[in-house]
Amino acid sequence: EIVLTQSPGTLSLSPGERATLSCRASQRVSSSYLAWYQQRPGQAPRLLIYGASIRATGIPDRFSGSGSGTDFTLTISRLEPEDFAVYYCHQYDISPRTFGQGTKVEIK
Amino acid sequence: EVQLVESGGGLVQPGGSLRLSCAASGFTLRSHWMHWVRQAPGKGLVWVSRINADGTTTDYADSVKGRFTISRDNAKNTLYLQMNSLRAEDTALYYCARVDLGGVLDNWGQGALVTVSS
Repeated sequence: EIVLTQSPGTLSLSPGERATLSCRASQRVSSSYLAWYQQRPGQAPRLLIYGASIRATGIPDRFSGSGSGTDFTLTISRLEPEDFAVYYCHQYDISPRTFGQGTKVEIK
Repeated sequence: EVQLVESGGGLVQPGGSLRLSCAASGFTLRSHWMHWVRQAPGKGLVWVSRINADGTTTDYADSVKGRFTISRDNAKNTLYLQMNSLRAEDTALYYCARVDLGGVLDNWGQGALVTVSS
């Protein structure tokens, strides 16, 4: 199965700062099949990005995704208070689907 | 509005059984593949199972194969997960999720908590 490794494990930033989250795959993932989710405490995962770079409906444009092959990135251009959460990358290219272990974005 | 509502979770002893349900509304369930994903307390997301739109094709994670069965009743707009021979390591919040947008899990329920303990 494809292993997704996210880094860093925790990102400590202040509101207004830029966040850059990394997701590295153990083998090539088609860009069409890489997604990012946000999970706030006590809530279900929320789809942010699919197809590596397409924002889901209603997602603010401060969220952007990029990358291809084995290296993907989620960028939050200016952190808002509601953005402090855990973020997961997810590949749905090769079965079984897999998720990264998550990056926690916390308030510094 | 798309809504997925899980039910049927609870406390069960090791070796016991439980059936989760996921009631869908706001969209046509029969048009979508559906998945179950679980999350152990304080841990990450793990894919469990999937079923195609008409229920004829299913797939499972190795960790649950032979013990869990996914099914659906499109007439009742409901997805199911029958869980047998439960183990402590099956303790988790179980989410149902809809497939759309070229295969991505685009909408998730709030989850049903399953606790396996004696």
